[in-house]
Amino acid sequence: DTGVSQDPRHKITKRGQNVTFRCDPISEHNRLYWYRQTLGQGPEFLTYFQNEAQLEKSRLLSDRFSAERPKGSFSTLEIQRTEQGDSAMYLCASSPGRAGTDTQYFGPGTRLTVL
Amino acid sequence: QKEVEQDPGPLSVPEGAIVSLNCTYSNSAFQYFMWYRQYSRKGPELLMYTYSSGNKEDGRFTAQVDKSSKYISLFIRDSQPSDSATYLCAMSAWQAGTALIFGKGTTLSVSS
Repeated sequence: DTGVSQDPRHKITKRGQNVTFRCDPISEHNRLYWYRQTLGQGPEFLTYFQNEAQLEKSRLLSDRFSAERPKGSFSTLEIQRTEQGDSAMYLCASSPGRAGTDTQYFGPGTRLTVL
Repeated sequence: QKEVEQDPGPLSVPEGAIVSLNCTYSNSAFQYFMWYRQYSRKGPELLMYTYSSGNKEDGRFTAQVDKSSKYISLFIRDSQPSDSATYLCAMSAWQAGTALIFGKGTTLSVSS
Protein backbone atom coordinates (compact mmCIF):
# COMPACT_ATOMS: atom_id res chain seq x y z
CA ASP A 1 0.00 0.00 0.00
CA THR A 2 1.23 3.43 -0.87
CA GLY A 3 -0.88 5.11 1.80
CA VAL A 4 -3.53 7.81 1.61
CA SER A 5 -2.39 10.80 -0.41
CA GLN A 6 -3.82 14.32 -0.42
CA ASP A 7 -3.31 17.24 -2.73
CA PRO A 8 -2.42 20.03 -2.29
CA ARG A 9 -0.57 19.85 0.99
CA HIS A 10 -0.98 23.56 1.58
CA LYS A 11 -3.45 26.09 0.22
CA ILE A 12 -3.60 29.80 0.89
CA THR A 13 -6.65 31.62 -0.40
CA LYS A 14 -8.50 34.88 0.05
CA ARG A 15 -11.85 35.04 1.76
CA GLY A 16 -14.68 34.45 -0.67
CA GLN A 17 -12.72 32.23 -3.05
CA ASN A 18 -13.56 28.60 -3.77
CA VAL A 19 -11.09 25.81 -3.06
CA THR A 20 -11.01 22.12 -3.91
CA PHE A 21 -8.98 19.38 -2.27
CA ARG A 22 -8.30 15.88 -3.53
CA CYS A 23 -7.85 12.63 -1.64
CA ASP A 24 -6.60 9.33 -3.06
CA PRO A 25 -7.32 6.47 -0.64
CA ILE A 26 -5.34 3.30 -0.18
CA SER A 27 -5.96 1.06 -3.16
CA GLU A 28 -9.08 -1.11 -2.81
CA HIS A 29 -10.29 0.65 0.32
CA ASN A 30 -14.07 0.97 0.03
CA ARG A 31 -14.61 3.58 2.68
CA LEU A 32 -13.37 7.15 2.63
CA TYR A 33 -13.74 9.81 5.32
CA TRP A 34 -13.12 13.53 5.58
CA TYR A 35 -12.21 15.22 8.87
CA ARG A 36 -11.26 18.75 9.84
CA GLN A 37 -8.68 19.57 12.51
CA THR A 38 -8.08 23.00 14.00
CA LEU A 39 -5.08 23.96 16.13
CA GLY A 40 -5.08 22.26 19.52
CA GLN A 41 -8.07 20.08 18.71
CA GLY A 42 -8.58 16.52 17.59
CA PRO A 43 -9.97 15.78 14.13
CA GLU A 44 -13.71 16.32 13.71
CA PHE A 45 -15.74 14.20 11.33
CA LEU A 46 -17.19 15.86 8.23
CA THR A 47 -18.47 13.15 5.90
CA TYR A 48 -18.08 9.52 4.83
CA PHE A 49 -18.37 7.51 1.60
CA GLN A 50 -18.98 3.84 1.01
CA ASN A 51 -17.72 3.41 -2.55
CA GLU A 52 -19.35 6.31 -4.45
CA ALA A 53 -22.27 6.77 -2.04
CA GLN A 54 -22.07 9.56 0.53
CA LEU A 55 -23.66 7.89 3.56
CA GLU A 56 -23.18 10.33 6.40
CA LYS A 57 -22.64 14.08 6.78
CA SER A 58 -21.86 16.00 9.93
CA ARG A 59 -23.71 19.14 10.91
CA LEU A 60 -20.28 20.79 10.53
CA LEU A 61 -20.63 20.34 6.78
CA SER A 62 -22.44 23.54 5.90
CA ASP A 63 -24.04 24.23 2.54
CA ARG A 64 -20.76 25.77 1.38
CA PHE A 65 -19.06 22.37 1.62
CA SER A 66 -19.55 19.61 -0.92
CA ALA A 67 -17.78 16.29 -1.28
CA GLU A 68 -17.82 13.76 -4.09
CA ARG A 69 -16.39 10.36 -4.85
CA PRO A 70 -17.61 9.88 -8.42
CA LYS A 71 -16.10 6.52 -9.29
CA GLY A 72 -15.60 5.13 -5.83
CA SER A 73 -11.88 5.84 -5.95
CA PHE A 74 -10.54 9.35 -5.28
CA SER A 75 -12.62 12.01 -3.56
CA THR A 76 -12.82 15.80 -3.72
CA LEU A 77 -13.87 18.25 -1.05
CA GLU A 78 -14.91 21.70 -2.25
CA ILE A 79 -15.43 24.75 -0.08
CA GLN A 80 -17.29 27.63 -1.70
CA ARG A 81 -17.04 31.27 -0.58
CA THR A 82 -14.34 30.49 1.96
CA GLU A 83 -14.40 32.20 5.35
CA GLN A 84 -11.56 32.75 7.80
CA GLY A 85 -13.16 30.19 10.10
CA ASP A 86 -12.52 27.56 7.43
CA SER A 87 -8.78 27.75 8.10
CA ALA A 88 -7.84 24.28 9.32
CA MET A 89 -6.16 21.03 8.39
CA TYR A 90 -8.44 18.88 6.22
CA LEU A 91 -7.71 15.20 6.70
CA CYS A 92 -8.78 12.29 4.56
CA ALA A 93 -8.88 8.70 5.83
CA SER A 94 -9.75 5.38 4.24
CA SER A 95 -10.60 1.94 5.53
CA PRO A 96 -10.89 -1.46 3.83
CA GLY A 97 -14.59 -1.97 4.60
CA ARG A 98 -14.17 -5.62 5.50
CA ALA A 99 -15.50 -7.56 8.46
CA GLY A 100 -13.28 -7.62 11.51
CA THR A 101 -10.92 -4.77 12.23
CA ASP A 102 -11.81 -1.90 9.92
CA THR A 103 -9.44 0.80 11.05
CA GLN A 104 -9.11 4.20 9.43
CA TYR A 105 -5.77 5.24 7.95
CA PHE A 106 -5.13 8.93 7.55
CA GLY A 107 -3.41 10.96 4.87
CA PRO A 108 -0.98 13.82 5.50
CA GLY A 109 -3.73 16.43 5.30
CA THR A 110 -4.26 19.67 3.39
CA ARG A 111 -3.59 22.79 5.42
CA LEU A 112 -5.93 25.61 4.39
CA THR A 113 -5.27 29.23 5.30
CA VAL A 114 -7.99 31.76 4.47
CA LEU A 115 -6.77 35.35 4.51
CA GLN B 1 -19.32 17.98 28.58
CA LYS B 2 -17.53 16.71 25.51
CA GLU B 3 -17.95 13.05 24.60
CA VAL B 4 -14.21 12.43 24.92
CA GLU B 5 -11.96 14.25 27.36
CA GLN B 6 -8.18 14.23 27.08
CA ASP B 7 -5.69 16.36 28.99
CA PRO B 8 -3.76 18.34 26.34
CA GLY B 9 -0.60 18.56 28.48
CA PRO B 10 2.10 19.30 27.53
CA LEU B 11 3.78 16.33 29.15
CA SER B 12 7.58 16.36 29.42
CA VAL B 13 9.58 13.29 30.46
CA PRO B 14 13.22 12.19 30.32
CA GLU B 15 14.33 9.48 27.92
CA GLY B 16 13.63 6.01 29.29
CA ALA B 17 10.63 7.05 31.40
CA ILE B 18 7.29 5.25 31.39
CA VAL B 19 4.59 7.49 29.98
CA SER B 20 0.90 7.21 30.82
CA LEU B 21 -1.68 8.90 28.59
CA ASN B 22 -5.38 8.82 29.37
CA CYS B 23 -8.84 9.61 28.06
CA THR B 24 -12.26 9.51 29.62
CA TYR B 25 -15.53 9.30 27.73
CA SER B 26 -19.21 9.66 28.43
CA ASN B 27 -20.91 7.57 25.72
CA SER B 28 -21.39 4.01 27.00
CA ALA B 29 -22.04 2.86 23.41
CA PHE B 30 -18.37 3.23 22.49
CA GLN B 31 -16.82 -0.18 21.93
CA TYR B 32 -13.84 0.46 19.65
CA PHE B 33 -10.89 2.40 20.97
CA MET B 34 -7.82 3.65 19.14
CA TRP B 35 -4.68 5.59 19.80
CA TYR B 36 -3.13 7.67 17.05
CA ARG B 37 0.21 9.45 17.05
CA GLN B 38 0.50 12.74 15.20
CA TYR B 39 3.76 14.51 14.48
CA SER B 40 3.68 18.25 13.89
CA ARG B 41 1.92 19.16 10.64
CA LYS B 42 1.41 15.50 9.69
CA GLY B 43 -1.63 13.23 9.55
CA PRO B 44 -2.50 10.91 12.47
CA GLU B 45 -0.80 7.51 12.43
CA LEU B 46 -2.58 4.52 13.98
CA LEU B 47 -0.73 3.04 16.97
CA MET B 48 -3.16 0.76 18.76
CA TYR B 49 -6.68 -0.61 18.23
CA THR B 50 -8.68 -2.26 21.01
CA TYR B 51 -12.15 -3.70 21.09
CA SER B 52 -14.16 -3.55 24.33
CA SER B 53 -12.34 -3.90 27.65
CA GLY B 54 -8.93 -5.33 28.36
CA ASN B 55 -5.28 -4.84 27.55
CA LYS B 56 -3.34 -4.99 24.31
CA GLU B 57 0.42 -4.86 24.00
CA ASP B 58 2.56 -4.05 20.98
CA GLY B 59 6.27 -3.61 21.59
CA ARG B 60 6.79 -0.67 23.94
CA PHE B 61 3.10 0.30 23.80
CA THR B 62 0.26 -1.03 25.95
CA ALA B 63 -3.36 0.03 25.57
CA GLN B 64 -5.88 -0.50 28.36
CA VAL B 65 -9.65 -0.09 28.27
CA ASP B 66 -11.86 0.00 31.36
CA LYS B 67 -15.41 0.29 30.10
CA SER B 68 -16.89 0.22 33.60
CA SER B 69 -15.03 3.45 34.39
CA LYS B 70 -15.22 4.80 30.83
CA TYR B 71 -11.46 5.25 30.90
CA ILE B 72 -8.72 4.30 28.45
CA SER B 73 -4.97 4.49 28.76
CA LEU B 74 -1.86 4.21 26.63
CA PHE B 75 1.44 3.33 28.27
CA ILE B 76 4.78 3.87 26.58
CA ARG B 77 7.75 2.05 28.08
CA ASP B 78 11.36 3.13 27.64
CA SER B 79 10.28 6.36 25.99
CA GLN B 80 12.50 7.75 23.24
CA PRO B 81 12.94 11.28 21.85
CA SER B 82 11.31 9.98 18.65
CA ASP B 83 8.12 9.41 20.69
CA SER B 84 7.76 13.19 20.99
CA ALA B 85 4.43 13.89 19.30
CA THR B 86 0.76 14.49 19.99
CA TYR B 87 -1.18 11.38 21.01
CA LEU B 88 -4.86 11.28 20.12
CA CYS B 89 -7.38 8.87 21.55
CA ALA B 90 -10.30 8.00 19.29
CA MET B 91 -13.36 5.85 19.71
CA SER B 92 -16.53 4.71 17.99
CA ALA B 93 -19.68 2.78 18.72
CA TRP B 94 -19.59 0.67 15.59
CA GLN B 95 -16.93 -1.37 13.92
CA ALA B 96 -16.91 0.28 10.54
CA GLY B 97 -18.41 3.00 8.47
CA THR B 98 -18.70 5.43 11.29
CA ALA B 99 -17.16 8.64 12.48
CA LEU B 100 -14.34 8.44 14.97
CA ILE B 101 -14.71 10.72 17.99
CA PHE B 102 -11.33 12.12 18.99
CA GLY B 103 -9.93 13.64 22.12
CA LYS B 104 -8.01 16.91 21.87
CA GLY B 105 -4.68 15.10 21.98
CA THR B 106 -1.85 15.13 24.54
CA THR B 107 1.45 16.67 23.49
CA LEU B 108 4.41 14.60 24.70
CA SER B 109 8.04 15.70 24.76
CA VAL B 110 10.78 13.19 25.56
CA SER B 111 14.15 14.74 26.29
CA SER B 112 17.46 12.96 25.78
